[in-house]
Amino acid sequence: DADVTQTPRNRITKTGKRIMLECSQTKGHDRMYWYRQDPGLGLQLIYYSFDVKDINKGEISDGYSVSRQAQAKFSLSLESAIPNQTALYFCATSDFTSGRPQETQYFGPGTRLLVL
Amino acid sequence: GESVGLHLPTLSVQEGDNSIINCAYSNSASDYFIWYKQESGKGPQFIIDIRSNMDKRQGQRVTVLLNKTVKHLSLQIAATQPGDSAVYFCAEKRNSGNTPLVFGKGTRLSVIA
Repeated sequence: DADVTQTPRNRITKTGKRIMLECSQTKGHDRMYWYRQDPGLGLQLIYYSFDVKDINKGEISDGYSVSRQAQAKFSLSLESAIPNQTALYFCATSDFTSGRPQETQYFGPGTRLLVL
Repeated sequence: GESVGLHLPTLSVQEGDNSIINCAYSNSASDYFIWYKQESGKGPQFIIDIRSNMDKRQGQRVTVLLNKTVKHLSLQIAATQPGDSAVYFCAEKRNSGNTPLVFGKGTRLSVIA
């Protein structure tokens, strides 16, 4: 979905390096999420943010940090990358302010990260 | 435990046949459910959703059925096509605005031409 963009799309880094993955959205949504997906497996929630001043840990937040710089931007950082953080990372957004009970999440195209 | 799971991790279907992908959920407080399709190398894409006050909802070639009695959700794809080959995830929304969606582990659908 072009409304949710992720940069970079691919990244190779070395153990111990700090890296940042960025997510931007033009959907005007208030909520943003970061997920990790390992090959052949499902989505694991890392962090989520319901508005600019709100940050919440997900299932697997250890080794990661996030920053919600603006409503449209949510970045994920790996403080000191390790090989088992090699995975596909997805950003997602959802709209809660509309008041609709449904809250569909819309995903970006993903960032493929390889930690050597 | 609180989880959304799938009965079948892989499903192979002949082209033209109907596909049924199943999902079990454990939280009776869930009131909104979504099916996503993820093609290789891409992000999950919304297919269809259903609220807990409904038993069935139809889209284009897809139907979602919800059985709240046994906490079961299914996705039916009519006349399955090669382009339907993907991993399908179900997700549930708990009865609270302040919880993210909970995703199942996914089912891989392979369409045999």
